[in-house]
Amino acid sequence: EPEVTQTPSHQVTQMGQEVILRCVPISNHLYFYWYRQILGQKVEFLVSFYNNEISEKSEIFDDQFSVERPDGSNFTLKIRSTKLEDSAMYFCASRGYKNIQYFGAGTRLSVL
Amino acid sequence: GQQVMQIPQYQHVQEGEDFTTYCNSSTTLSNIQWYKQRPGGHPVFLIQLVKSGEVKKQKRLTFQFGEAKKNSSLHITATQTTDVGTYFCAGGPRGGTSYGKLTFGQGTILTVHP
Repeated sequence: EPEVTQTPSHQVTQMGQEVILRCVPISNHLYFYWYRQILGQKVEFLVSFYNNEISEKSEIFDDQFSVERPDGSNFTLKIRSTKLEDSAMYFCASRGYKNIQYFGAGTRLSVL
Repeated sequence: GQQVMQIPQYQHVQEGEDFTTYCNSSTTLSNIQWYKQRPGGHPVFLIQLVKSGEVKKQKRLTFQFGEAKKNSSLHITATQTTDVGTYFCAGGPRGGTSYGKLTFGQGTILTVHP
């Protein structure tokens, strides 16, 4: 069964550093998403991406965040200058024509 | 903005007992989806409900979507230890230009004692 893959599984970084989280969505999917989940809390929407541009973003997705689809397969989330409160699990999701989002296993980001 | 509330936050049951989690949205939804997240895992899609009053079953799981498309429930009959995890509802907003953004409830953590 096709799946969304995310790398790395765990990223440790120092506050103020830039991080790039990578995702390979399911190959024929057209809509891509990033969500985050702070430990013990609910999953929160960050951004959606369609047709090579951001279609919607949440209040969390401020100027420190950016997304990119640099080639036909990867979908990245960049955090320019990480803060302690950015520590969370970051999930990438993709969907095709059916309105079902498939989530990757996530990247655990730890900001020290 | 849209808010999705889910209760209870925790549910502890004995194996064989039933379990229900409830979801309420502050606004009318175009659809509601249910996900299961095992401890340390990622959300796994269970089902999508689209129609007002819709009821769907998956083996021991029964999902309902309210007539007003603002609430939903998941009922598990005769729980098993494999049902352990967090169950999230996630609402898709009605109207606007949303590209499938999901608003998740807080989740119900289910533990099943053998």
